[in-house]
Amino acid sequence: DIQMTQSPASLSASLGETVSIECLASEDIYNNLAWYQQKPGKSPQLLIYYASSLQDGVPSRFSGSGSGTQYSLKINSLQSEDVASYFCQQYYDYPLTFGSGTKLEI
Amino acid sequence: EVQLVESGGGLVQPGRSLKLSCAASGFTFSNYYMAWVRQAPKKGLEWVATISTSGSRTYYPDSVKGRFTISRDNAKSSLYLQMNSLKSEDTATYYCARHKQLGAFDYWGQGVMVTVSS
Repeated sequence: DIQMTQSPASLSASLGETVSIECLASEDIYNNLAWYQQKPGKSPQLLIYYASSLQDGVPSRFSGSGSGTQYSLKINSLQSEDVASYFCQQYYDYPLTFGSGTKLEI
Repeated sequence: EVQLVESGGGLVQPGRSLKLSCAASGFTFSNYYMAWVRQAPKKGLEWVATISTSGSRTYYPDSVKGRFTISRDNAKSSLYLQMNSLKSEDTATYYCARHKQLGAFDYWGQGVMVTVSS
């Protein structure tokens, strides 16, 4: 199974700041990586797929990068509505696996 | 508008069975792989099952293989999850999700709670 190690577990930042969340895969996943945002009490929402492609309707302050085993999600100009948990997920191979999540507080 | 609406959750005793349903609308259901993903209380996300467009291929993690069965009825635009031999560790919110062509989950339902307890 491909293990996804996500860091940090929690993050506190100020409005307007830029933050990054990292995800390390246990083997090469060839950019088959997605990022999700889950606001408290809500279902997850897809932000980024194929490591760097922005899902329709997602603000451009969200961006993804990386390759091989190392990937990151960057959020520019933090806004109050960005308070949420963020998860990475690999879909290169079954079983599909998620990172453990990052809780972002403003 | 894509909508996924789960139903069938509730409280069930260990060892018993439960069947979840997901009603899909707003897209051509038969064109998409579909999946179930769960989230234990205050925990992360865990993929539970995926089914191909025709239903001929199914995929599961070891944690549910042999106990859970995913199925679909394309005529009814519906997805199902039959859960047998339930354990306390199956307690979670279960989400129905649509696979984007490249494998990510682009739409999720609101989730349905399953509690396994005596």
